[in-house]
Amino acid sequence: ETGVTQTPRHLVMGMTNKKSLKCEQHLGHNAMYWYKQSAKKPLELMFVYSLEERVENNSVPSRFSPECPNSSHLFLHLHTLQPEDSALYLCASSQGGLASAYNEQFFGPGTRLTVL
Amino acid sequence: GESVGLHLPTLSVQEGDNSIINCAYSNSASDYFIWYKQESGKGPQFIIDIRSNMDKRQGQRVTVLLNKTVKHLSLQIAATQPGDSAVYFCAEDRGGTGRRALTFGSGTRLQVQP
Repeated sequence: ETGVTQTPRHLVMGMTNKKSLKCEQHLGHNAMYWYKQSAKKPLELMFVYSLEERVENNSVPSRFSPECPNSSHLFLHLHTLQPEDSALYLCASSQGGLASAYNEQFFGPGTRLTVL
Repeated sequence: GESVGLHLPTLSVQEGDNSIINCAYSNSASDYFIWYKQESGKGPQFIIDIRSNMDKRQGQRVTVLLNKTVKHLSLQIAATQPGDSAVYFCAEDRGGTGRRALTFGSGTRLQVQP
């Protein structure tokens, strides 16, 4: 596969469940991002990893836990979510990290999450 | 992948007409801007970018104009086609040293009438 892939594409979970979202980039990039896209807000940056080190955490609740085992993979672990966490979760990658200028980000297709 | 439920401004154009989508950005220090297109069921897709040392940049059927004086960005699509129907986002790189990141606008929905 090419580009940025995400699995699963759709996920329905209860508030007591634990699940994980997976993102993989095949572009040789050094930085990866998690965004939340909900119905009533613009894209919200959640986490950024640059060279596998978390460099950004935008006041995201602890029920969201990211993991970046290597530069190609990014996970978002979910536990005890709330219905208001239902949204499209997008992963992106870029060649440079946050200190790099002109840093185009490439997005995956997203995971549509519904919390019941 | 669409922002379902978000009350996006909508631009409706006839097939073959030119489209102009506008975006106001907030940070005068932003030095890099990107336009993304998001079709239903997909993630945002890069269309074109522009650096702050330029006023205009052209791609295939698309042109981005940057007016730094009024902090305004526009995307022009020539000869709009049904496949151009999507939500369009502008993003600004807040610039500076150290941590840089993209900030996205809320988007404009483009509807192309056949």
